[in-house]
Amino acid sequence: GENVEQHPSTLSVQEGDSAVIKCTYSDSASNYFPWYKQELGKGPQLIIDIRSNVGEKKDQRIAVTLNKTAKHFSLHITETQPEDSAVYFCAARTFGNEKLTFGTGTRLTIIP
Amino acid sequence: GAVVSQHPSWVICKSGTSVKIECRSLDFQATTMFWYRQFPKQSLMLMATSNEGSKATYEQGVEKDKFLINHASLTLSTLTVTSAHPEDSSFYICSAGPGSPVSPLHFGNGTRLTVT
Repeated sequence: GENVEQHPSTLSVQEGDSAVIKCTYSDSASNYFPWYKQELGKGPQLIIDIRSNVGEKKDQRIAVTLNKTAKHFSLHITETQPEDSAVYFCAARTFGNEKLTFGTGTRLTIIP
Repeated sequence: GAVVSQHPSWVICKSGTSVKIECRSLDFQATTMFWYRQFPKQSLMLMATSNEGSKATYEQGVEKDKFLINHASLTLSTLTVTSAHPEDSSFYICSAGPGSPVSPLHFGNGTRLTVT
């Protein structure tokens, strides 16, 4: 089955700087890669996703890049703000299967 | 759009009792819903896949008689923790999507279960 690894497990960034979180996946048949943000005591919230036919996607301060050959994808947050502090999870899904495989999460702390 | 509502947000129950958690898709129909369990500072662990009109598919190691799942309609799935024990205390989260393999999954806000 699919295996998703995520790094780093914790990340502290000065407010205004950029944050990068990286994930690798094992199943070359995976074709959909979402990123979720989870705040304390809440469910994960989808913040951005990318499909395997695209190399990069951007939404304001958030971007995701995908390297299918290397089987890794990354989340980039620019101009970080205190409200970006949360746990971020990457995930992967194989075509035809709705089930998601999650990474282990990254606790992002923005230092004011 | 794509809102998933989960209820209750928290519940405290006594050992030996059963607790039911509801997961509703508010603005779309979901033939499939997923139930997760999350321990503190850990990732989401998939417990089972809930299929409308048929039996749920449980992940390895999850007791189907303890965690009863019912998906009676296209907008509602329920998870019942039967004969709850303190070790069942956890954060339970459901997710759902419109059923297309290219559509995103959206999550409910979770249910914090505490068994005393």
